[in-house]
Amino acid sequence: ETGVTQSPTHLIKTRGQQVTLRCSSQSGHNTVSWYQQALGQGPQFIFQYYREEENGRGNFPPRFSGLQFPNYSSELNVNALELDDSALYLCASSFPGANVLTFGAGSRLTVL
Amino acid sequence: GENVEQHPSTLSVQEGDSAVIKCTYSDSASNYFPWYKQELGKRPQLIIDIRSNVGEKKDQRIAVTLNKTAKHFSLHITETQPEDSAVYFCAAKANAGGTSYGKLTFGQGTILTVHP
Repeated sequence: ETGVTQSPTHLIKTRGQQVTLRCSSQSGHNTVSWYQQALGQGPQFIFQYYREEENGRGNFPPRFSGLQFPNYSSELNVNALELDDSALYLCASSFPGANVLTFGAGSRLTVL
Repeated sequence: GENVEQHPSTLSVQEGDSAVIKCTYSDSASNYFPWYKQELGKRPQLIIDIRSNVGEKKDQRIAVTLNKTAKHFSLHITETQPEDSAVYFCAAKANAGGTSYGKLTFGQGTILTVHP
């Protein structure tokens, strides 16, 4: 059984650029959620995907968007990057309706 | 929306002592309360969780208690070891309407240091 994998692990961007982060869910999990973890803070919910549709969203602007593919993998896209977008982005997968989330190791984004 | 407060922000104990971390939540609809351990540079890992129909749960040296009336829950670690040193996060979730499965609201975290 494979866990949640994310790529890239680290990346550096400049303000105004766009970034795409990728996530492969754990085997058998078809629900994927994304979290932003700023340094020294707890993770904050961005959104969740189930059956290739967004079905829950936190307090993040529309420039944060995502996709889920038929194989349940997912992408997080952030447009018009701002300095405050610098954070660890965590992907988590779960069975539908299940409470337990399995997190990936995250993608650390630095915006200069 | 849900708000989770976690205290203390840092906790330092001697090996063998007990450690207690406390969290309060605001949404009375919350019914699932997990605790995650995050070591430096690593993914959050679930260490124990509790549902709202249970008041206490224990797993070896780790226990969680829940007081629904007061809307607070606590993590208890007994016989602490240096490898328990990490950041611990509490979280809360309300399974309302089927759209919030993945939406955990996290506390701010507690940096636990266990000195040998």
